[in-house]
Amino acid sequence: GAGVSQSPSNKVTEKGKDVELRCDPISGHTALYWYRQSLGQGLEFLIYFQGNSAPDKSGLPSDRFSAERTGGSVSTLTIQRTQQEDSAVYLCASSLISVNTGELFFGEGSRLTVL
Amino acid sequence: AQKITQTQPGMFVQEKEAVTLDCTYDTSDPSYGLFWYKQPSSGEMIFLIYQGSYDQQNATEGRYSLNFQKARKSANLVISASQLGDSAMYFCAMREEGRDDKIIFGKGTRLHILP
Repeated sequence: GAGVSQSPSNKVTEKGKDVELRCDPISGHTALYWYRQSLGQGLEFLIYFQGNSAPDKSGLPSDRFSAERTGGSVSTLTIQRTQQEDSAVYLCASSLISVNTGELFFGEGSRLTVL
Repeated sequence: AQKITQTQPGMFVQEKEAVTLDCTYDTSDPSYGLFWYKQPSSGEMIFLIYQGSYDQQNATEGRYSLNFQKARKSANLVISASQLGDSAMYFCAMREEGRDDKIIFGKGTRLHILP
């Protein structure tokens, strides 16, 4: 696609439910990143993929969070047993590191509200 | 340990004045890249400028320039002739290219341009 696509754009869920957030990166981009941004705050690194593998999972806040990437393309971030503190905007970005600056191209984010 | 530090949570600047947003970083990796992103109230992340650790000259992009002081581990963003549309959150970010290409962000500076 022309840009990074994230779905859903908004998700309201009840505490304790599982949620899945999807990211479709720019075609051909090998690197994919997930960040979390709480209201008015900075970007908290969660995980990044190079191809289908995740060299660094250190940012995942707890074992309730997991992510996968298949076919070197679409990625899914899963949050199990959601808690109110999980409420945030989840941003996905992709990059082609070997080209020019390798800057991140961001999606519009998935806003998660846990009631 | 904080790897990217932005010490100015908020700044107010008069329109048409130049503004400097501070960013310091910490890395032992000789190969790294530094980025600045702008996030308006709409929430989108806009790439502004990139500086590689081996670049001999400071990066410039239109009204944006990066004051790169390698020995001080400083990468300040300079916006010349500020405009009302520059009001936004600004994030400094770093990728340690010798490690795993993870990109981490600072906490950001909220810039307000006054008419």
